Amino acid sequence: SQQGEEDPQALSIQEGENATMNCSYKTSINNLQWYRQNSGRGLVHLILIRSNEREKHSGRLRVTLDTSKKSSSLLITASRAADTASYFCATWGMDTGRRALTFGSGTRLQVQP
Amino acid sequence: EAGVVQSPRYKIIEKKQPVAFWCNPISGHNTLYWYLQNLGQGPELLIRYENEEAVDDSQLPKDRFSAERLKGVDSTLKIQPAELGDSAVYLCASSQGDNEQFFGPGTRLTVL
Repeated sequence: SQQGEEDPQALSIQEGENATMNCSYKTSINNLQWYRQNSGRGLVHLILIRSNEREKHSGRLRVTLDTSKKSSSLLITASRAADTASYFCATWGMDTGRRALTFGSGTRLQVQP
Repeated sequence: EAGVVQSPRYKIIEKKQPVAFWCNPISGHNTLYWYLQNLGQGPELLIRYENEEAVDDSQLPKDRFSAERLKGVDSTLKIQPAELGDSAVYLCASSQGDNEQFFGPGTRLTVL
């Protein structure tokens, strides 16, 4: 079962624009992670934000976390054609018996050159 | 440093046939995961190993799926017999503890 839901499911923007993807989840978490997946490839880890953090930056990526609303957002600034991929949020739950990531269904980002 | 290695990359079989996937995790990573990813969906956990012990296999369909991780390094995931609905990408990942996971390229299985 999928824990998170990404919004939007698909996003098409022009190169240079910013892209914002949102993720909502259902249960309490230890941390939330964002991954990128290029077509036909495995997933690549982008950023991890812990439950006691509210915002984190990495290069052109900015992630926010609102645990009261059980939601997170991923902002990619100054997008490039190479950013075209699917983006997944994944949560690491508080259930110590199930120590694994639960992924959302992803946002498919298309950056037009 | 070599990443997570999986083989084969692609496999096409007829239904009711057996199939096996192999994974070599990143050296030193004691945690290994097998995920299933259907088209247009996020990965779903099948089984997690801590060293050679399967500590979470609650989502593994045990009537036809089996896995092993001998000596706590390489792992094999097997399906016997395969069904049409098993067509998907099977991803292997490894990690150190609760931090980021490193994924292999996956094995795309097609069951005819």
